[in-house]
Amino acid sequence: GAGVSQSPSNKVTEKGKDVELRCDPISGHTALYWYRQSLGQGLEFLIYFQGNSAPDKSGLPSDRFSAERTGGSVSTLTIQRTQQEDSAVYLCASIKDWGGAGELFFGEGSRLTVL
Amino acid sequence: GQSLEQPSEVTAVEGAIVQINCTYQTSGFYGLSWYQQHDGGAPTFLSYNALDGLEETGRFSSFLSRSDSYGYLLLQELQMKDSASYFCAVSDGQNFVFGPGTRLSVLP
Repeated sequence: GAGVSQSPSNKVTEKGKDVELRCDPISGHTALYWYRQSLGQGLEFLIYFQGNSAPDKSGLPSDRFSAERTGGSVSTLTIQRTQQEDSAVYLCASIKDWGGAGELFFGEGSRLTVL
Repeated sequence: GQSLEQPSEVTAVEGAIVQINCTYQTSGFYGLSWYQQHDGGAPTFLSYNALDGLEETGRFSSFLSRSDSYGYLLLQELQMKDSASYFCAVSDGQNFVFGPGTRLSVLP
């Protein structure tokens, strides 16, 4: 696609339910990032995938959070047993080649509300 | 660890010049980026500095001093549409760590 695509754009769920958020990066981009943004706050790093290397999971806040990237393209972020504090916008970004420079392209985000 | 600091809010009038500062403490450093985010929108890339000095892109300029662990974004000829949040981000060779953001309000 022309840009980074995320789905769903909005998700309302009940506490304790599992949710899956999807990210389809720009074709050919080798690195993919997930960030979390609470209302009026900055971007909190969650996880990073680069090519076939093991992902950097250092930002995942708890073991309820996991992510995978299949075929070096689409990524799914899964949150198990959701809690109210998980409510936030989850942003996905991709970059063509990681050389330390370059531009991150962000999707529009998935807004998660946990009741 | 890594940490970045930015002012939380800045207010200026249309046509003015505003500077948004960013200081950082990082274990690794490749460069400093700036992103703009309008309410409800996705962050969009503005500029990137890997070396000391000023980079100019139209009305926006960005500066970096690696020895001072400091950078700034300069916005000239402010327009109402520049009202947004601005984030600095440090790249460490693998990851991008973002600052808390500065909310810019442009008044008529």
